[in-house]
Order: sequence, then structure tokens, then C-alpha cells
Amino acid sequence: NAGVMQNPRHLVRRRGQEARLRCSPMKGHSHVYWYRQLPEEGLKFMVYLQKENIIDESGMPKERFSAEFPKEGPSILRIQQVVRGDSAAYFCASSLHLQGAGETQYFGPGTRLLVL
Amino acid sequence: DAKTTQPPSMDCAEGRAANLPCNHSTISGNEYVYWYRQIHSQGPQYIIHGLKNNETNEMASLIITEDRKSSTLILPHATLRDTAVYYCIVRVDTGANSKLTFGKGITLSVRP
Repeated sequence: NAGVMQNPRHLVRRRGQEARLRCSPMKGHSHVYWYRQLPEEGLKFMVYLQKENIIDESGMPKERFSAEFPKEGPSILRIQQVVRGDSAAYFCASSLHLQGAGETQYFGPGTRLLVL
Repeated sequence: DAKTTQPPSMDCAEGRAANLPCNHSTISGNEYVYWYRQIHSQGPQYIIHGLKNNETNEMASLIITEDRKSSTLILPHATLRDTAVYYCIVRVDTGANSKLTFGKGITLSVRP
């Protein structure tokens, strides 16, 4: 059973460009979470999505960041007009969401974004 | 979600048991205790979780005190590859509050 897949694993962008990060959840999982880890810092929650719905975006920066999880295809985290401060590791996690049974999130290997 | 407190670091000898403590004195009755680890800069790896009872799997054991205010993760035979940052997280399992709140964790160093 393949785990959570993320691509690209490494992404280099110049300031002002757009970054698109993709996440394919584990087979059968319909819930996706995005986390960001800035250099030398801990992981911070960004957004929680179900298919075609954003459930919790309390950790998303108000501007330039957006996320989607369409009915078909991977979840996409999109960063417009990137700045150097966006350089970080972005991790995606997925879960099966058996409510009341302890919902375990499984993480992907991450995408390392470097903004020049 | 309740806050957890972990020592910043600890070490143990290879082959010995590693006992990683976690305090969560404000935990609510419906909050689970989760443990994850992050090896170097890899993605966090799920280890184990529990609600009230002690749990064991192929990776580790989780001992939760009767009052649920603290827990201990036990790696029975630590290896060099267990060197990582270990995160103890408590979380309510409801749909809208499913996010994991990571603290600083405890850095475990396994020495040869």
C-alpha cells in the first residue's frame, strides 16, 4: 500500500513566481492536511481539506496561499508571488477519518521549497 | 487541544530501552495521546496512540497513567536509527479539530 506521495520533492523558485505543491493521499483516504516547517522551527498546521471542501484553514496565511482537493486528482497547495520567507518544508498528511476511533494522520516525505 | 510538556532532550545507549516522558495535565476525557517522530528532516512518522489503556505495537509501547495526566513512550531496544525528535500530541478526534499541534518535542540521541 503506497504511502502519501508528494511532488516535487524539491522546488526552486525566484521571488515573484508561483509554487505548486502536490499531494496524493494514501489509497482510500479522503482527508488531507498541509503543514509547514520553517528552518529550525517546528511543524505548523496550515489547512485541512476533504474532497472538494476546505474544513479548517486557520493556519493559512491570509494572502498568496491557497489549497484545494478536487474530486479527482491530488491536493494542491499553491503559493503565489513567492517571497524568501516562504522557503520551508511543506508536509502533507492524509487520514481515513473513522470518527470516534482515533484518527491517525500519515505524512508524506515533504516538498522543500527554496525561494531565491 | 491540551498542551504537552516534554524535556528538550535525552540520550540512551544502543540496545537499551528508551523511556520518553510527556506531561499533559490538562488533557480532556475525549483527547487521545499521539506520538510521532521526525528523523532528521524527513516527514513525521506515526508511532502509536492511545486514549486510556496502554498500547503496544511493533515499534513501541505507550504507557498512560491512570489519571491520564502523563504518558511514557517506550522504545524497548533503541537503535542508532531511532535518533530523532519525538513529539507527544494530545488531540480531540472531531472532524473540524483534526489538526495536529506540534510542540518542540524531545530530541532522542541513541549512542553506540
